[in-house]
Amino acid sequence: DADVTQTPRNRITKTGKRIMLECSQTKGHDRMYWYRQDPGLGLRLIYYSFDVKDINKGEISDGYSVSRQAQAKFSLSLESAIPNQTALYFCATSDWTPGGGETQYFGPGTRLLVL
Amino acid sequence: AQSVTQPDIHITVSEGASLELRCNYSYGATPYLFWYVQSPGQGLQLLLKYFSGDTLVQGIKGFEAEFKRSQSSFNLRKPSVHWSDAAEYFCAVGDLNTDKLIFGTGTRLQVFP
Repeated sequence: DADVTQTPRNRITKTGKRIMLECSQTKGHDRMYWYRQDPGLGLRLIYYSFDVKDINKGEISDGYSVSRQAQAKFSLSLESAIPNQTALYFCATSDWTPGGGETQYFGPGTRLLVL
Repeated sequence: AQSVTQPDIHITVSEGASLELRCNYSYGATPYLFWYVQSPGQGLQLLLKYFSGDTLVQGIKGFEAEFKRSQSSFNLRKPSVHWSDAAEYFCAVGDLNTDKLIFGTGTRLQVFP
């Protein structure tokens, strides 16, 4: 879905380096999420934000930090990358409607390799 | 704790055959339920969701799913699979208290001509 974009799409970095993954959305949604996907484990939530002033840890936040620069932008940082952070990272946004509940919309993903 | 189980890691079907992907959930109340599809190298696309009302939900690409409360299941079905349906499929449950999604581990579908 082009309404949620992630940059970069692919990244190789070395152990110990700081890296930032960026997410932008044009959907006008308040809620944004960062997930990582590992083979056989599905998607696991790293951080989420319900609005610009609201940041919450997910189930696997250790080693990560986030910044919600604006309603449309939500960045994920690895302060000191380690090899087991090699994964596919997804950003998502969501809306909630009275008749349809909440639906999350995903970006195309960023594939990160930490050497 | 809420959880989602997709018991089949990998399924192979012939093109034109029917398909059913299983999903079971554990949740204390009526859940939101979702099916997403991830094509190779792509992000996740929403196929369908159950929020309330009719327990048989129609989605995109000819997919449907049925919510069965008594079995805690939300199985995905398609009457005739196309080669382009080869992908990984994720079931998810929405937690009404936290507004977070809990994903299953996925089922990889392979389609043979």
